[in-house]
Amino acid sequence: GIQVEQSPPDLILQEGANSTLRCNFSDSVNNLQWFHQNPWGQLINLFYIPSGTKQNGRLSATTVATERYSLLYISSSQTTDSGVYFCAVEQETSYDKVIFGPGTSLSVIP
Amino acid sequence: KAGVTQTPRYLIKTRGQQVTLSCSPISGHRSVSWYQQTPGQGLQFLFEYFSETQRNKGNFPGRFSGRQFSNSRSEMNVSTLELGDSALYLCASSISGGRRSPLHFGNGTRLTVT
Repeated sequence: GIQVEQSPPDLILQEGANSTLRCNFSDSVNNLQWFHQNPWGQLINLFYIPSGTKQNGRLSATTVATERYSLLYISSSQTTDSGVYFCAVEQETSYDKVIFGPGTSLSVIP
Repeated sequence: KAGVTQTPRYLIKTRGQQVTLSCSPISGHRSVSWYQQTPGQGLQFLFEYFSETQRNKGNFPGRFSGRQFSNSRSEMNVSTLELGDSALYLCASSISGGRRSPLHFGNGTRLTVT
């Protein structure tokens, strides 16, 4: 099956700093999504981004499907950005089965 | 619009028992998928339903089963519970499934098996 890797596994930022999270996948995908899981366990969909670039406030994401990677940018980080960031993909040959990466754990300190 | 609703939020069961978890999707969403989250294995896909049909399933034993009703609500059942089944079980809904629409998750059911 498809392999999904995320880097870095852990990240500590000072409030106000910027960061880039990376997601690599081993096979062609139909789509890619980024999620944020807050400390209470709630998973929030940040981006549905099979290709191209999208922006939502301080967050933006870019997926280069032909090179099998996606990047999530967080600018001017806030303590509320803390949590775990997951990318998730649906393999081109396995519809309706969404595979999650291991996540990047982010801590933003004041 | 109400979000994805999962019940119950917490469950404590004993080894060997069975459990049923419930998920009500966002109104208008016809796809429901289930995931198991554990510290060791991360988020793992269990199965996906669309219009009462299971379209795909993950690599879990047959003790894990699910179904979807005509109103798109879904249930998953775990029989003969084992200690390793302790996890956060998350349900997600989408309009048509992951291939064309984003997933929206409920708050999960935390299952503890003793």
